[in-house]
Amino acid sequence: KNQVEQSPQSLIILEGKNCTLQCNYTVSPFSNLRWYKQDTGRGPVSLTIMTFSENTKSNGRYTATLDADTKQSSLHITASQLSDSASYICVVRAAGNMLTFGGGTRLMVKP
Amino acid sequence: NAGVTQTPKFQVLKTGQSMTLQCAQDMNHNSMYWYRQDPGMGLRLIYYSASEGTTDKGEVPNGYNVSRLNKREFSLRLESAAPSQTSVYFCASSEHLTSGGAHEQYFGPGTRLTVT
Repeated sequence: KNQVEQSPQSLIILEGKNCTLQCNYTVSPFSNLRWYKQDTGRGPVSLTIMTFSENTKSNGRYTATLDADTKQSSLHITASQLSDSASYICVVRAAGNMLTFGGGTRLMVKP
Repeated sequence: NAGVTQTPKFQVLKTGQSMTLQCAQDMNHNSMYWYRQDPGMGLRLIYYSASEGTTDKGEVPNGYNVSRLNKREFSLRLESAAPSQTSVYFCASSEHLTSGGAHEQYFGPGTRLTVT
């Protein structure tokens, strides 16, 4: 069964600090992996997409990495801001199948 | 360009009541989806519509029905609501439903449903 596990479940950091969120998956055959940001009371919004051949991709202060051999991805947030407070969801697509969603990491950035 | 819109935003039902959740997109997307999101769990697919005129079951279809009214609109109906259907429901759309494709799904703001 395809699964996506995210850690930690929740995280509190101070404004200006960096953090890294983890995503482990057992989806096969792998097609691509997206990180979504979900603000409270809103729908998820895509931050970045990683395909099999990509190791690192940045979107402003967000940097995603992918290790297809170990089936792990991470999302690194640099110089966190209060507006980064949200849930971050890792979503993996298997070739020919629908998406498998992780349970998300709830990040709170405190002033 | 509103993207994906959902109505209502909030709803409280009694067990056994029925209701329809509405979803519309203005991006000319072919594929639309209904998900439910429960605390601590990933979004789970209820039904999807690959293109106008077609619908298919997702991971958790029991207790729900859908209608792809036209290319823009995709509704979700609960015929006899149960407390287990208390959840946040998200509608999404994408340009296509292609095997292994990278088409991003765009999500609506969600409907928070409580069944007592």
